[in-house]
Amino acid sequence: DAGVIQSPRHEVTEMGQEVTLRCKPISGHNSLFWYRQTMMRGLELLIYFNNNVPIDDSGMPEDRFSAKMPNASFSTLKIQPSEPRDSAVYFCASSFLSGTGNVGYTFGSGTRLTVV
Amino acid sequence: AQTVTQSQPEMSVQEAETVTLSCTYDTSESDYYLFWYKQPPSRQMILVIRQEAYKQQNATENRFSVNFQKAAKSFSLKISDSQLGDAAMYFCALDSGAGSYQLTFGKGTKLSVIP
Repeated sequence: DAGVIQSPRHEVTEMGQEVTLRCKPISGHNSLFWYRQTMMRGLELLIYFNNNVPIDDSGMPEDRFSAKMPNASFSTLKIQPSEPRDSAVYFCASSFLSGTGNVGYTFGSGTRLTVV
Repeated sequence: AQTVTQSQPEMSVQEAETVTLSCTYDTSESDYYLFWYKQPPSRQMILVIRQEAYKQQNATENRFSVNFQKAAKSFSLKISDSQLGDAAMYFCALDSGAGSYQLTFGKGTKLSVIP
């Protein structure tokens, strides 16, 4: 099991550019989460998919952020246009959620985004 | 809304000693889940231990155990026989149940292990 795979590991971009972060969840998991981590705000949930369907995107900061999950093995988080305040570590996590409760997430290694 | 509070931004422990990290939370649900995650300098978030609120027995995983006090809404993590590899940020997290499956995290405690 390769775990949750995120790419790229680091991304440096200029303000105004489009940024796309990628995530491959663990095979068999039915839920996928995107989190953002900053020193000031800690870990914040951005969006949550279940069976490839977005369930809650109330954490997406603004319209510049969008996320997709076209199939069970791939998800993207896109920022367009990017701004310096978007600089953070972005984590993808996946889990198998059933009626028996939350067994916890498996996180990817994160993407450190720097917008200059 | 649920909240998770970790009141100790930093802690240190001597190698081989025991340390306890504190966490308090607030939720209106009666059935929920609590977690501790470890984040070493590598940045990877690693699940350490999980507790189901309806279980009175405290969860244990090798050298890691919790003290779950439901009435007090307290969920502390005890690390026994501390090792250098335990040095990391530790995050407490709450899934407030009601089928949400969303984790709310505390701000974390940075643990240093002194050789």
